[in-house]
Amino acid sequence: KQEVTQIPAALSVPEGENLVLNCSFTDSAIYNLQWFRQDPGKGLTSLLLIQSSQREQTSGRLNASLDKSSGRSTLYIAASQPGDSATYLCAVDNNDMRFGAGTRLTVKP
Amino acid sequence: EPEVTQTPSHQVTQMGQEVILRCVPISNHLYFYWYRQILGQKVEFLVSFYNNEISEKSEIFDDQFSVERPDGSNFTLKIRSTKLEDSAMYFCASIGTRDGELFFGEGSRLTVL
Repeated sequence: KQEVTQIPAALSVPEGENLVLNCSFTDSAIYNLQWFRQDPGKGLTSLLLIQSSQREQTSGRLNASLDKSSGRSTLYIAASQPGDSATYLCAVDNNDMRFGAGTRLTVKP
Repeated sequence: EPEVTQTPSHQVTQMGQEVILRCVPISNHLYFYWYRQILGQKVEFLVSFYNNEISEKSEIFDDQFSVERPDGSNFTLKIRSTKLEDSAMYFCASIGTRDGELFFGEGSRLTVL
């Protein structure tokens, strides 16, 4: 059974910092990996989708990498802003999407 | 931009009552999912649905749960006899192709008293 782990569980940084969120998974036979953002009491917003054949994807200040063989992905956020404050979830798809517990990010002005 | 819509946004029910949560997936999507998130906990997979049948289900999705696509647009989750521990946010999601991007609705908050 796929297990998805995210570290750290929480992170607080001053505005402007670059930061890295980590995701690891136990079964490397995946279709893809997707990063989501969740604001309190809200649904999940897709940020980046990386197919199993890809190594990275970029969208604006976000860059996600995938190392399938080692079961790891990172989400890099450049020049963080207070509006980036949210919980970031990693989800891995092998027949169904399994989620990590998330990293709760706070960016202080 | 196309989106997944869910109703109701919040439902309060008494233990033992039946509940139906409704979802309208993105119109050209073929794969449909239900997830739940108990307050403060992980998003958990419940069930996936493709070609008018369940393709995968988790251990959470027991005989009290059922899904249906009654027409070309709606996708429903029924809980037959709700328990206190069914209180959670229920999310519907859909994908266009098997390896595509998963889009979520805003969720239906279920409170069982």
